[in-house]
Amino acid sequence: KAGVTQTPRYLIKTRGQQVTLSCSPISGHRSVSWYQQTPGQGLQFLFEYFSETQRNKGNFPGRFSGRQFSNSRSEMNVSTLELGDSALYLCASSLEAANYGYTFGSGTRLTVV
Amino acid sequence: AQSVAQPEDQVNVAEGNPLTVKCTYSVSGNPYLFWYVQYPNRGLQFLLKYITGDNLVKGSYGFEAEFNKSQTSFHLKKPSALVSDSALYFCAVSSPSGNTPLVFGKGTRLSVIA
Repeated sequence: KAGVTQTPRYLIKTRGQQVTLSCSPISGHRSVSWYQQTPGQGLQFLFEYFSETQRNKGNFPGRFSGRQFSNSRSEMNVSTLELGDSALYLCASSLEAANYGYTFGSGTRLTVV
Repeated sequence: AQSVAQPEDQVNVAEGNPLTVKCTYSVSGNPYLFWYVQYPNRGLQFLLKYITGDNLVKGSYGFEAEFNKSQTSFHLKKPSALVSDSALYFCAVSSPSGNTPLVFGKGTRLSVIA
């Protein structure tokens, strides 16, 4: 079966712009989580969606937002981009919850200039 | 709240030698523990998972992990390292309910030298 698909793979944006990243989970998976990965901070949890509802939220500013659609596909949006937002953004899908384990997408590499 | 510690940023091992990547955890209740591997510019790939039962868990690519409840550890092991095992390894823990996100360690970079 198809894995977790993230688009786009690479993105270059200018400070102050906004960006939308997309994630299509494995068919049948209802939970989608987003993580930000940077060399200095490791993997930091952004948010988790389950059945179109935000179930958990990490400690990120309100510029970071997300949503999940009825087909479980998810998007995350970052507004007013800052240089420090440059990172690999990873989407992970799970059947129901974290204790089932995650399947990760390949990530979107965002560079803010 | 759960937490994971990977005490080594970097582990170097010669090809053919056994390898160990260390992980300790903290969680209320019985833990769900995971190991993932990441290759450059890729997402994380699942290696193995511990839920309950046998303390030695076997996973992908010849890796295994040993669960030790008294030491709250879940070390990743492989009897004979390959150069292709060189990558970034993450340990993660989930609460028994699973209603909080997976918490990851900071990662350990494994270098296998030919």
